[in-house]
Amino acid sequence: KNEVEQSPQNLTAQEGEFITINCSYSVGISALHWLQQHPGGGIVSLFMLSSGKKKHGRLIATINIQEKHSSLHITASHPRDSAVYICAVRWIHDKLIFGTGTRLQVFP
Amino acid sequence: GAVVSQHPSWVICKSGTSVKIECRSLDFQATTMFWYRQFPKQSLMLMATSNEGSKATYEQGVEKDKFLINHASLTLSTLTVTSAHPEDSSFYICSAGDSYSTDTQYFGPGTRLTVL
Repeated sequence: KNEVEQSPQNLTAQEGEFITINCSYSVGISALHWLQQHPGGGIVSLFMLSSGKKKHGRLIATINIQEKHSSLHITASHPRDSAVYICAVRWIHDKLIFGTGTRLQVFP
Repeated sequence: GAVVSQHPSWVICKSGTSVKIECRSLDFQATTMFWYRQFPKQSLMLMATSNEGSKATYEQGVEKDKFLINHASLTLSTLTVTSAHPEDSSFYICSAGDSYSTDTQYFGPGTRLTVL
C-alpha cells in the first residue's frame, strides 16, 4: 500500500468544469506539496500546505491534518490546466514521498 | 521566484559511458538538494539526498557507486551515472530548498537520459 494515495488516477473534464483531486496519506508529515508536471516533464510547485487552505488564482488547496487528507481544486478549468498533478508529503529530513499522480485532461 | 536549473536537459549516450548531470540553484543557496528519477507514467522516486560538503545519503536500493553525487558548493550538485546501461534510461530531476527557508522545494526541469 502506498503511503500517499491520490484519486482519481485519470480525469477528463470539459473546459469550465470544477475539478477536485484528492490525496490521502498514512505517515506523519510536516507539510504537503501539490505539484504540477507538464508533458515535457518540468515540475512546478503549486502549493505547500501545513494547515488550512490556500488559494492562487483558480487553484485552491486544502488540508485536514486530523484526517490526513488534502484536496486540490481547479475552478473554471481550461485546456492549459492539462497536466499531471502530484501530491507529495514532506517527511523526516525534508524528504518528499510522492503520490502516483493524477493525469488531468481538459477538453475545449 | 527561486529557480533551479539542470544541465543537460537531455542526453543520449552509448552503453558503458558515464554521464554527468548538473543541478544548480540560481538565486539561492541550498545546503541540501534531492535527486529523483521518474520512469514513464510513474511517480518520482527519491534516489538520494545531496548534502553540501558531505557525503550523499542514498535511498535503499540505489547503488552509490553507480550514481555518484557531489555537492561541492551551495549552488551546485552533480549526479554522475557511471557505466550507464539501457536500464538507466530515465528522467532525472533534482530539487532544492532555500537554506534559510525549508518551506518550499524548487524543482529543476529534469534531464532525460537515453542509453543506447
